[in-house]
Amino acid sequence: DQQVKQNSPSLSVQEGRISILNCDYTNSMFDYFLWYKKYPAEGPTFLISISSIKDKNEDGRFTVFLNKSAKHLSLHIVPSQPGDSAVYFCAASGASYDKVIFGPGTSLSVIP
Amino acid sequence: NAGVTQTPKFRVLKTGQSMTLLCAQDMNHEYMYWYRQDPGMGLRLIHYSVGEGTTAKGEVPDGYNVSRLKKQNFLLGLESAAPSQTSVYFCASSYLGGPEAFFGQGTRLTVV
Repeated sequence: DQQVKQNSPSLSVQEGRISILNCDYTNSMFDYFLWYKKYPAEGPTFLISISSIKDKNEDGRFTVFLNKSAKHLSLHIVPSQPGDSAVYFCAASGASYDKVIFGPGTSLSVIP
Repeated sequence: NAGVTQTPKFRVLKTGQSMTLLCAQDMNHEYMYWYRQDPGMGLRLIHYSVGEGTTAKGEVPDGYNVSRLKKQNFLLGLESAAPSQTSVYFCASSYLGGPEAFFGQGTRLTVV
């Protein structure tokens, strides 16, 4: 039973617009949530994280929002660029980051 | 600085054969992980290690064994390969208590 869910396998967005990627989780014991980006034939790369005591974290064009009561987080990319086209994985872990659980991923296509 | 290096990059095995995947990191990271990536399933944690000489089971440990005899190396073994183990395997490492994990380029394993 998946503890981290990404219910949209794919998303297509026009260049310059906002991309919103969603993630839901079932385990209320998770303390940290992370987003990774993956290009074909490469390993995932870390994008941004958020602690469970926060509800928002920003890094440049990337913002992650956390709604603990709904067990939901989202990644906003503004403005979207063609180079953002990749698979985005949501992940979650306990306080010590020892066991990081990933979701199935959402493939984002940014159309020029 | 090589980061995380996985060996080999590609391998074809016959059912019942054994093999070992090697992961080496040169960042002095405490934590190391093995994941497998399958279509629609995302990255699933096989085993992980929080330090030299320690290992723990992840989400899908059956059919795999691991060892962490040296801090910089994390080995993943398949004793008797099965077609269900056809996958792309990723190794990752991270600092103690840090959110960002660094991934290798992956090993594409096919079991026929």
